[in-house]
Amino acid sequence: GENVEQHPSTLSVQEGDSAVIKCTYSDSASNYFPWYKQELGKRPQLIIDIRSNVGEKKDQRIAVTLNKTAKHFSLHITETQPEDSAVYFCAAGSNNNDMRFGAGTRLTVKP
Amino acid sequence: KAGVTQTPRYLIKTRGQQVTLSCSPISGHRSVSWYQQTPGQGLQFLFEYFSETQRNKGNFPGRFSGRQFSNSRSEMNVSTLELGDSALYLCASSLAGLLVNEQFFGPGTRLTVL
Repeated sequence: GENVEQHPSTLSVQEGDSAVIKCTYSDSASNYFPWYKQELGKRPQLIIDIRSNVGEKKDQRIAVTLNKTAKHFSLHITETQPEDSAVYFCAAGSNNNDMRFGAGTRLTVKP
Repeated sequence: KAGVTQTPRYLIKTRGQQVTLSCSPISGHRSVSWYQQTPGQGLQFLFEYFSETQRNKGNFPGRFSGRQFSNSRSEMNVSTLELGDSALYLCASSLAGLLVNEQFFGPGTRLTVL
């Protein structure tokens, strides 16, 4: 089936630095790209999403960029804080109401 | 508003048995999606229900089935359980669909198959 590749699988940054997580997808019908944050033992929570008619979206310290031609999208977190430490999942949704997830990135922000 | 609730939270079954999991969406939400989360396979989409109809199904065998009731509550059933079915099963609800509105996840049901 169609897959979503996510890199890196683990990422460690110093507090205050930026973190970037990248995802690629193969289904050209994908038109919705959410990012979820899952803290240890908790449920995933949507942190930002982008639709295929937009190239970039920003919400305070979090931004997502989408390159439809290259079929990749990225999550950018600036001025990272220890509470940003979690597993982040990207996903790609297509018109047939399917949702494919990346394998996740474990982000550790060191104080 | 109450969040998405799932019952039971923990379940232990043996191979060959069947299991039914329940999900109550946020009031007013008509879409319920189900996901399987395992350390090895990550998050995988099982299916989505909207207004009592299954809109799409992920790549899972027919042992995995579901249904949705008129009050939008949803159940997921797994028959002939296998060891590999051990996982955290998450449901998520949204107003009109997983591609339309934000999904809110429940706490999950942790299923262990012995």
